[in-house]
Amino acid sequence: AQSVTQLDSQVPVFEEAPVELRCNYSSSVSVYLFWYVQYPNQGLQLLLKYLSGSTLVKGINGFEAEFNKSQTSFHLRKPSVHISDTAEYFCAVTPRGYQKVTFGTGTKLQVIP
Amino acid sequence: NAGVMQNPRHLVRRRGQEARLRCSPMKGHSHVYWYRQLPEEGLKFMVYLQKENIIDESGMPKERFSAEFPKEGPSILRIQQVVRGDSAAYFCASSLLQESSNQPQHFGDGTRLSIL
Repeated sequence: AQSVTQLDSQVPVFEEAPVELRCNYSSSVSVYLFWYVQYPNQGLQLLLKYLSGSTLVKGINGFEAEFNKSQTSFHLRKPSVHISDTAEYFCAVTPRGYQKVTFGTGTKLQVIP
Repeated sequence: NAGVMQNPRHLVRRRGQEARLRCSPMKGHSHVYWYRQLPEEGLKFMVYLQKENIIDESGMPKERFSAEFPKEGPSILRIQQVVRGDSAAYFCASSLLQESSNQPQHFGDGTRLSIL
């Protein structure tokens, strides 16, 4: 079984400041890792994914995430946030070979003008 | 728009009625997943279907909930005799291949179910 922990339920940050959204996971098997963003009243949109290879993954909208196997983490970062980044962000894992996705509880990013 | 289509976007039912939620996957996708999102919680897996087959229903409540994905037409999530606790956002996702779990799931905009 897999589990995903997003410790920060809300993260306020000023516009143009950097941000890091934390994600830790646990799994007894190898996994793929994903970050999704959810805007109000919409579904989830894929930001980025880690499958293999380089541990630094770049996604859409200037976001990137780093896979750290020893710390079982997959933190999401952006060097300079914009008002339009205000949304809820979900970290997710799926075991390799099967698509049952386990989501974290989400982190609400609030960008302050 | 060839994305995952869910309807209705909002559904209001009284306790004891039936709710039917529809999901049309992306063109070419034959795998459908249903998730439930309760307020202040993440998405919880409910069921995974292929055409005419339920592959994994480990997240489905044992009673009142059922899902199907017929050979023709959309996938349907049906909730019988709804109760207040069924109020949630229900999301459908689809993917191209199950064997390649590196294929991300594509999500619809969800159906917000409210029980009066």
